[in-house]
Amino acid sequence: KNEVEQSPQNLTAQEGEFITINCSYSVGISALHWLQQHPGGGIVSLFMLSSGKKKHGRLIATINIQEKHSSLHITASHPRDSAVYICAVPPNTGNQFYFGTGTSLTVIP
Amino acid sequence: NAGVMQNPRHLVRRRGQEARLRCSPMKGHSHVYWYRQLPEEGLKFMVYLQKENIIDESGMPKERFSAEFPKEGPSILRIQQVVRGDSAAYFCASSPLRGGFSEQYFGPGTRLTVT
Repeated sequence: KNEVEQSPQNLTAQEGEFITINCSYSVGISALHWLQQHPGGGIVSLFMLSSGKKKHGRLIATINIQEKHSSLHITASHPRDSAVYICAVPPNTGNQFYFGTGTSLTVIP
Repeated sequence: NAGVMQNPRHLVRRRGQEARLRCSPMKGHSHVYWYRQLPEEGLKFMVYLQKENIIDESGMPKERFSAEFPKEGPSILRIQQVVRGDSAAYFCASSPLRGGFSEQYFGPGTRLTVT
């Protein structure tokens, strides 16, 4: 049983398309994290959110705590957005993080 | 403010040798997490430390693996008598608060290859 489920696993888009990546989780949390892992392997934290919506540039993250669901949107996608996007949740009990398996995004020029 | 530093970036060990992975958190961060990413798999939590204390090691194998975060110096993840299955990327992350309440800043990772 996975505490965090992401979809889709793989996604190919044309440059300029609007992209949505979904994350569902089964544990109680106070906040959810979205991470980006570049092809070279480095990991960057994109968002930490506990309610509503956050926006950084072309990236938008939303969360519905009651429905235990979050989405990451990319507007006007670009080839440099090609990466693996990972949803991570720290449960209210315990100290560890649970990670989704990631969504591998490829944006074609 | 330098980011999280890990060294070495690549480490090759023969079966049975010891591997020592180092992580220097961002300045002012006292919370360190270690994660493992096996080939073609997702990140898995290993251990959570604060200065001089192991807070949660529930994700770490009981044998051969140990971690520390001394008062001075980097956090160390130590793998004794490595086996091929230990080949993976090991990431550490630091945060100023317990991870659920603040962003985590990741290091570049150490890629361990066991031959």
